Amino acid sequence: GAVVSQHPSRVICKSGTSVKIECRSLDFQATTMFWYRQFPKQSLMLMATSNEGSKATYEQGVEKDKFLINHASLTLSTLTVTSAHPEDSSFYICSAKASVNTGELFFGEGSRLTVL
Amino acid sequence: AQKVTQAQTEISVVEKEDVTLDCVYETRDTTYYLFWYKQPPSGELVFLIRRNSFDEQNEISGRYSWNFQKSTSSFNFTITASQVVDSAVYFCALGDDKIIFGKGTRLHILP
Repeated sequence: GAVVSQHPSRVICKSGTSVKIECRSLDFQATTMFWYRQFPKQSLMLMATSNEGSKATYEQGVEKDKFLINHASLTLSTLTVTSAHPEDSSFYICSAKASVNTGELFFGEGSRLTVL
Repeated sequence: AQKVTQAQTEISVVEKEDVTLDCVYETRDTTYYLFWYKQPPSGELVFLIRRNSFDEQNEISGRYSWNFQKSTSSFNFTITASQVVDSAVYFCALGDDKIIFGKGTRLHILP
């Protein structure tokens, strides 16, 4: 099956620094990728929709200046958490929609961010 | 607005018992997809099933089975002869591209 890879899988950073998380579709092209956030023992909440070559669409309540999303190619979307604070500590998961065929959705393995 | 309700927050059963995880959804869309995902302690989401709203046939895959009842907006998931490795959080979800997740049901299979 199709593979979506996220990097890094775990990251620890100091408060005030910025962290970049990558989401790559390894064996298919994805014009659209989605970013989710999951707090401990909670559900996944959609943060934004990332479209290749255009600006991301953010869900209500998500700060676009804090969570910068770039979808520069058909296989890569990045999420940058700027000026991270402890409350940004969470599990971030991306999904990618295949551009062709059934347009199935595939999830990455997730990236666990801890902000000290 | 779309909504997915998983009323069971946590379930514990003894190994080899059958267990059913409930899922009720709300949507105004005439065409939609329903999903079940498994999230083991490691965190990654494991895809289990995607069902088109037009396909109301029940599905069986090994020890897993799904009961889609459009009349009651439910898409329940049953594990028969449960095993310890089935212990995980299970999410029911609704949508197409943008997926709305339920709050999940944490399943404990006791040896």
